[in-house]
Amino acid sequence: DAKTTQPNSMESNEEEPVHLPCNHSTISGTDYIHWYRQLPSQGPEYVIHGLTSNVNNRMASLAIAEDRKSSTLILHRATLRDAAVYYCIHNTNAGKSTFGDGTTLTVKP
Amino acid sequence: DGGITQSPKYLFRKEGQNVTLSCEQNLNHDAMYWYRQDPGQGLRLIYYSQIVNDFQKGDIAEGYSVSREKKESFPLTVTSAQKNPTAFYLCASSITGQASGANVLTFGAGSRLTVL
Repeated sequence: DAKTTQPNSMESNEEEPVHLPCNHSTISGTDYIHWYRQLPSQGPEYVIHGLTSNVNNRMASLAIAEDRKSSTLILHRATLRDAAVYYCIHNTNAGKSTFGDGTTLTVKP
Repeated sequence: DGGITQSPKYLFRKEGQNVTLSCEQNLNHDAMYWYRQDPGQGLRLIYYSQIVNDFQKGDIAEGYSVSREKKESFPLTVTSAQKNPTAFYLCASSITGQASGANVLTFGAGSRLTVL
């Protein structure tokens, strides 16, 4: 079973960068790494995904370690709207993943 | 606007009753998924379907049933055999169910089921 390890919670100040870590030591060569975030009582929202190379999009950046056993989601300037639970998953088909408990990000004004 | 619609948003059920949760998507996605989320926890996969008229059990399928008669619809029935059905249920879809980097998930807003 593909498992990831994330810190239970992290805090950030508004407009500062946030680095959310994820360990995925059981990742296989064809697994993509996905990040999603969830606000209370809502469905998760896609953030970013990648295979080997670092990825950037309008929401965030994804830094993937050379051995692919860990990754870091980077929010360049945290806003209050970024406060959410962040989930890291890996699978050849993301939909078949079990989402762990994720990291609860608190953003302080 | 394309997306996933789940209904009802809130549902109350008496013990021993079956209940069906609706999930409809207009994204033309092949694959659809159902997850269960308990308070303060992550998502667990109940059932998934990679193509019409085909579906597979996920990690916690006992006490649940699904059908996939149309590409856009994937209803979930919570049966009386499910011992602890009170939870938040999430439906998702992706372009393909095959192993692919294109399997980005789009989620619905969820249905909260409470058993009285």
